[in-house]
Amino acid sequence: NAGVTQTPKFQVLKTGQSMTLQCAQDMNHEYMSWYRQDPGMGLRLIHYSVGAGITDQGEVPNGYNVSRSTTEDFPLRLLSAAPSQTSVYFCATRAENTIYFGEGSWLTVV
Amino acid sequence: KNQVEQSPQSLIILEGKNCTLQCNYTVSPFSNLRWYKQDTGRGPVSLTIMTFSENTKSNGRYTATLDADTKQSSLHITASQLSDSASYICVVSAPRGHGAGSYQLTFGKGTKLSVIP
Repeated sequence: NAGVTQTPKFQVLKTGQSMTLQCAQDMNHEYMSWYRQDPGMGLRLIHYSVGAGITDQGEVPNGYNVSRSTTEDFPLRLLSAAPSQTSVYFCATRAENTIYFGEGSWLTVV
Repeated sequence: KNQVEQSPQSLIILEGKNCTLQCNYTVSPFSNLRWYKQDTGRGPVSLTIMTFSENTKSNGRYTATLDADTKQSSLHITASQLSDSASYICVVSAPRGHGAGSYQLTFGKGTKLSVIP
């Protein structure tokens, strides 16, 4: 049982480049979300989805796009990376009262 | 503004000793409070979750308490082990409308615990 799988684990981007962080889950959870974690700050919600075809913005959505075409996948896209997007990104699902986090994706924008 | 404050920011204890981590919140209304453990380089993993009516919840050597009146929670770790070295994150949930996305989560910055031999 893989749970929540994120790829890539590590990525270095140049300013202005685009990329997609992948997130896949095998628990059939309707709710999926993306967070970023920065030093000295709590996890902050970027975007979330309550089911296939439905997405909404979180606390810090600027610079990020998401889509949810299937229950299993919830990719996060950076269209034009900026140094301020250097962070650790976590994908998470939720069912009942439990949140399941992926292992994280470390992104550095230079 | 909803806030979750954790203390101390970091803590070093000797293996075998007990410790208590604090979480104060201003989130209102309140749905539940969760404690997560995050090992270095890993994603957070759930330890406990407590609703308004629960005062205490245990998970092995971890015991969480909740005082909803004073909006305070604590996480007590008994007989610490080296593997307890991690960041511990307090998360408070507030209702927001209806449906699966109907909770707003406010995360604390975490307490970094180091257990040394």
